Amino acid sequence: DSGVTQTPKHLITATGQRVTLRCSPRSGDLSVYWYQQSLDQGLQFLIQYYNGEERAKGNILERFSAQQFPDLHSELNLSSLELGDSALYFCASSVAIWDRGSEQFFGPGTRLTVL
Amino acid sequence: AQKITQTQPGMFVQEKEAVTLDCTYDTSDPSYGLFWYKQPSSGEMIFLIYQGSYDQQNATEGRYSLNFQKARKSANLVISASQLGDSAMYFCAMREGRGDYKLSFGAGTTVTVRA
Repeated sequence: DSGVTQTPKHLITATGQRVTLRCSPRSGDLSVYWYQQSLDQGLQFLIQYYNGEERAKGNILERFSAQQFPDLHSELNLSSLELGDSALYFCASSVAIWDRGSEQFFGPGTRLTVL
Repeated sequence: AQKITQTQPGMFVQEKEAVTLDCTYDTSDPSYGLFWYKQPSSGEMIFLIYQGSYDQQNATEGRYSLNFQKARKSANLVISASQLGDSAMYFCAMREGRGDYKLSFGAGTTVTVRA
């Protein structure tokens, strides 16, 4: 158990819908990262937050947004869902961002299926 | 261009034997970190080992060791004394020192350990 929690574990929804994925980082970790894992794109970085502020954006679609709350949990919002958004979405956390050796601990992931 | 290249899509290894997973990387940043993660069929991402670009010695963690050849830009993972529980997908990842510290992942290598 990495200490990072993600809910829900599975999510099945229809095209055009909106969903929210939730992540609680490890106790003490200020940095949260979101990744998407799909068969065709592999593991891709979406977005990073540090202590409530957005720090970096990767290949995140405009239909997707995220935020990190004062209690450090984070939510990833996916809207106008398309079939191609079906993927495993991971949240990861790390202690700090200035230490390049600070490993990221991954949550169990949320498997999103868009029908 | 691909930052991380894993050329072996799948490998078979006999139980108790060693296996080497290849990883090459591409970066112009002198400061970077290299990580290996394991993803069993259950889906979670498990951190295995880390190597910093300035580290003089190859990293080791139990049965895992990293063969770091900086001039060749390779960071191969060696798993010694393979166990059935080592059957999984293995990902090589890199973090560059650009200030966002996101991980860039390779396509992964599937390892199957045979009894």
